[in-house]
Amino acid sequence: EPEVTQTPSHQVTQMGQEVILRCVPISNHLYFYWYRQILGQKVEFLVSFYNNEISEKSEIFDDQFSVERPDGSNFTLKIRSTKLEDSAMYFCASTPQETQYFGPGTRLLVL
Amino acid sequence: ELKVEQNPLFLSMQEGKNYTIYCNYSTTSDRLYWYRQDPGKSLESLFVLLSNGAVKQEGRLMASLDTKARLSTLHITAAVHDLSATYFCAVEETSGSRLTFGEGTQLTVNP
Repeated sequence: EPEVTQTPSHQVTQMGQEVILRCVPISNHLYFYWYRQILGQKVEFLVSFYNNEISEKSEIFDDQFSVERPDGSNFTLKIRSTKLEDSAMYFCASTPQETQYFGPGTRLLVL
Repeated sequence: ELKVEQNPLFLSMQEGKNYTIYCNYSTTSDRLYWYRQDPGKSLESLFVLLSNGAVKQEGRLMASLDTKARLSTLHITAAVHDLSATYFCAVEETSGSRLTFGEGTQLTVNP
């Protein structure tokens, strides 16, 4: 059964560094999303992407964040200058139009 | 702004007992989801509820939706230890839009 995949599974970075989180959505899906979950808290929406552009973003998704679909398969989230409070699990999700399927997540730790 | 509230947030129950988790949301929506999350893991889709009066069952879990009351329930029948996890409800306002999650219910089933 097709799955959403994400790399890396864990990333440790220094404050102020740039990170790129990668996702490969399920191949025939049309909508792509990034969410994050700070340890012990609920899942929060960051951004959605449809037809090669951002369709919706939350207040969390400020100028430090960007998304890209550089080729037909990858979907990336870049954080330009990481802060301590960016430490979280980042989930990618995709959907054909109904259920959103989540990837395994990237655990990001900013020191 | 859409708000999603779950209760209880913590639930400790004995094997063999029944219980219900409640999910209230504040505005009309296209669909409601229930996800399961094991510690340190991703979100596993359990149910998608699309219309008023929808009821879905899988094993010992049954989910229902009352769109007029803006309420969904997740009923657990004869709980077993394997059901121990955190359960999230999530609301999608319109097709393809963001999911807004509840805070999650951390369920522990004791032998």
